[in-house]
Parts: sequence; structure tokens; C-alpha cells
Amino acid sequence: KQEVTQIPAALSVPEGENLVLNCSFTDSAIYNLQWFRQDPGKGLTSLLLIQSSQREQTSGRLNASLDKSSGRSTLYIAASQPGDSATYLCAAPKPSGSRLTFGEGTQLTVNP
Amino acid sequence: EPEVTQTPSHQVTQMGQEVILRCVPISNHLYFYWYRQILGQKVEFLVSFYNNEISEKSEIFDDQFSVERPDGSNFTLKIRSTKLEDSAMYFCASSEAGGPFGELFFGEGSRLTVL
Repeated sequence: KQEVTQIPAALSVPEGENLVLNCSFTDSAIYNLQWFRQDPGKGLTSLLLIQSSQREQTSGRLNASLDKSSGRSTLYIAASQPGDSATYLCAAPKPSGSRLTFGEGTQLTVNP
Repeated sequence: EPEVTQTPSHQVTQMGQEVILRCVPISNHLYFYWYRQILGQKVEFLVSFYNNEISEKSEIFDDQFSVERPDGSNFTLKIRSTKLEDSAMYFCASSEAGGPFGELFFGEGSRLTVL
């Protein structure tokens, strides 16, 4: 059974800071891992899908890395902005099925 | 940009009533999903659907739940007799590829409140 954990649960940083969000998963036999953003009371916006064959995936100021052997993924946000304030979720698929298992999320606040 | 749309955005119902939540997946996607998020808790998988049948369901998805693709565009989740504990945000998602390979795109969610 896949279990996903995210650290820290909450993070508050000043604008402009670079930051790292962590995600760990128990079953490393995954094909990919997906990072999402969730604004309060809203849906999930896909940020990055990183395939198991990739070590990194980049989109703008976001960079996700994946290390299957250690069961870890990180989301790096460069030059954070107040608009980045949201909850960030990582999700790993069940290796032999279709369900995604989500972490609890990291609630990020970027202060102006 | 194509998106998953869900209706209603919020529904309030009495315990024991039937509820249908509707979703229009991205048009070229073939795999459809329902997830839910109880307030303050993790997002949880309910069911996946492909080729007009359920491909996987969780232990949450009991006989009170059903899914249907009544036409070429809609995908629905029916809760037959709602309970207080069904109160949650329900998210529909779709993907082009299935199984453990696809990138999922989610809708804005339908908030269900059971009184």
C-alpha cells in the first residue's frame, strides 16, 4: 500500500526566498509522481508530472526532482511571490493500478 | 486551455437523500476519476472509470455510490442515500493515459453538505 508524507506541514517565508517542499513515498515502484497546488476551497491544479525515468522536471520557477531509490521527491520554488501562497500536494500512483495516493500537503505562505 | 468542469459547485442536502454530482472531463481524455476531500483531511481516491466500466474502486466506494457516463461528455457520481459523513469536497479528474501513467487534471470540485 502506497503511503505519502509531506514535510513541513506549513511554511511561512518572506517574498523572494527560494524554498524546498519535501515529499516521501513508501512504494518506490512508481511510474511517475505529480505535484499539485490547491488554493483554499478550490480544486487541484497540476503543477508538474515527473516520470520515473526523469530526475528533474521544470516549469517556470518550479523544479521537481524524483529519487525513487530513496522514496523522495522535492519541489523547489525559486524567488517566491505572495501569489505562490497555497497548499502544495504531492501524489504518487499505486504501482499496479490507477489510484493516486496524496500527501497531507504543505501550506505555504509567502509574506510581502 | 481545456479543463474539467463540475456542477454543482455546492449542494446542501438532507441525510438520506440522493445526490448526483456532474462532471465534464477534458474532451479527448478516456480515463475518469472521482476523489473526495473531507475538510482538513487528505484527498482520497474513490473510483476510476474507463471504457464504460469501473476499473478500480476504493473501500470508501460502497453500494451507496455509483458512477455513470450517460452520454459522450458527462461523468456522474451518484450517492444513493447520503450520510452525514459524506459531507466533503468531491473532485472529478480525467487523464489521457490510464493506470499509473497518466497525468490527472482535476475540476474545481463540488462541495457536498449533508445535514
